[in-house]
Amino acid sequence: DAGITQSPRHKVTETGTPVTLRCHQTENHRYMYWYRQDPGHGLRLIHYSYGVKDTDKGEVSDGYSVSRSKTEDFLLTLESATSSQTSVYFCAIAKDRDNTEAFFGQGTRLTVV
Amino acid sequence: KQEVTQIPAALSVPEGENLVLNCSFTDSAIYNLQWFRQDPGKGLTSLLLIQSSQREQTSGRLNASLDKSSGRSTLYIAASQPGDSATYLCAVNSGNKLVFGAGTILRVKS
Repeated sequence: DAGITQSPRHKVTETGTPVTLRCHQTENHRYMYWYRQDPGHGLRLIHYSYGVKDTDKGEVSDGYSVSRSKTEDFLLTLESATSSQTSVYFCAIAKDRDNTEAFFGQGTRLTVV
Repeated sequence: KQEVTQIPAALSVPEGENLVLNCSFTDSAIYNLQWFRQDPGKGLTSLLLIQSSQREQTSGRLNASLDKSSGRSTLYIAASQPGDSATYLCAVNSGNKLVFGAGTILRVKS
């Protein structure tokens, strides 16, 4: 299995509070991604990173920010959590953009009450 | 905008049957297509990766085909087992991201 660790695995937070999810990899892969999975919507890309300090938006980036200060860590921050951000969040990694396999972490279940 | 559709949405078969899961995509300009398995409450496990230049890939009882020009891929599972019960997702890599289908929920009855 690819070395991807997401933390925390479960979190309940209140509306309006900031939340940070962490993805840590031991594979030294260049690309890292954050997806959210919701019933009826499947998996949708939030943000991705193609190197240290290099990030870009996905299709559902509003309300989220990311940072990558080291190759191995990719942080997803909800600046002010809303109930619509209740979801399961998955981190993924890939060696390069086009031709390699993507590997996913175990997910973080976030509930905003 | 790339869109990925999986048919059927759900499938229930008796143990031992061979089965086919379908995936279609609207934009044939892809780099690769990947099939995943997801068990309830778990992450995604990669099953097979097919590059855009390839026609098929095999791993054990699994065989995935790709027809890029028609925008279709199939996942063939031979001699299904109860342990194959899971949600199967296909994802298309159009550059910088994977676009996922909604998945096929498979139940193999013993």
